[in-house]
Amino acid sequence: DAKTTQPTSMDCAEGRAANLPCNHSTISGNEYVYWYRQIHSQGPQYIIHGLKNNETNEMASLIITEDRKSSTLILPHATLRDTAVYYCIVRVPYSSNTGKLIFGQGTTLQVKP
Amino acid sequence: GAVVSQHPSWVICKSGTSVKIECRSLDFQATTMFWYRQFPKQSLMLMATSNEGSKATYEQGVEKDKFLINHASLTLSTLTVTSAHPEDSSFYICSARDRAANTGELFFGEGSRLTVL
Repeated sequence: DAKTTQPTSMDCAEGRAANLPCNHSTISGNEYVYWYRQIHSQGPQYIIHGLKNNETNEMASLIITEDRKSSTLILPHATLRDTAVYYCIVRVPYSSNTGKLIFGQGTTLQVKP
Repeated sequence: GAVVSQHPSWVICKSGTSVKIECRSLDFQATTMFWYRQFPKQSLMLMATSNEGSKATYEQGVEKDKFLINHASLTLSTLTVTSAHPEDSSFYICSARDRAANTGELFFGEGSRLTVL
């Protein structure tokens, strides 16, 4: 699976949009971009995923560049409860190694009042 | 959404004893489950892939005789930490994929915190 690069930490004001970048310059054609987050002392939570088109759900939006070498997760109106570590992972969902998720260090997002 | 439950949420045991952690998919069937370990202020580290009805596949550096994994049914996988020592104290997390879904997303349990005295 391709590796990803994320900033170690970011701050965001409550109510503002949080934009979390991720670089995945070595992504291959059949790899998807997945985003998960982990709130302190809990298991990771799935947020969103995409292949090449922008995606939106009730939690967030995912913007993938045309060359697919980077993406941005957008939390449109961040709340204090969005404070967490956000992980960007690229993988083939059903690869021969059963599609396991390999976590990097992620971005610690601190939402401030 | 799909729910994965772990039990116990936390456990304290004496050094040398064995501890079993259960991971259940509550509303879906999972042919594949994954076990992770997380130390404080670190990311999740994949330990092994649990396959229903067959042997688990362990990541490099993970001792299969120390971390016994059993996946006897489509909704249950267990991790047994044998002869636990203080350095095994960690947050253990499982995840599972709904075999009927085509999204490839994995659902995670709440985690089990093990403290070995």
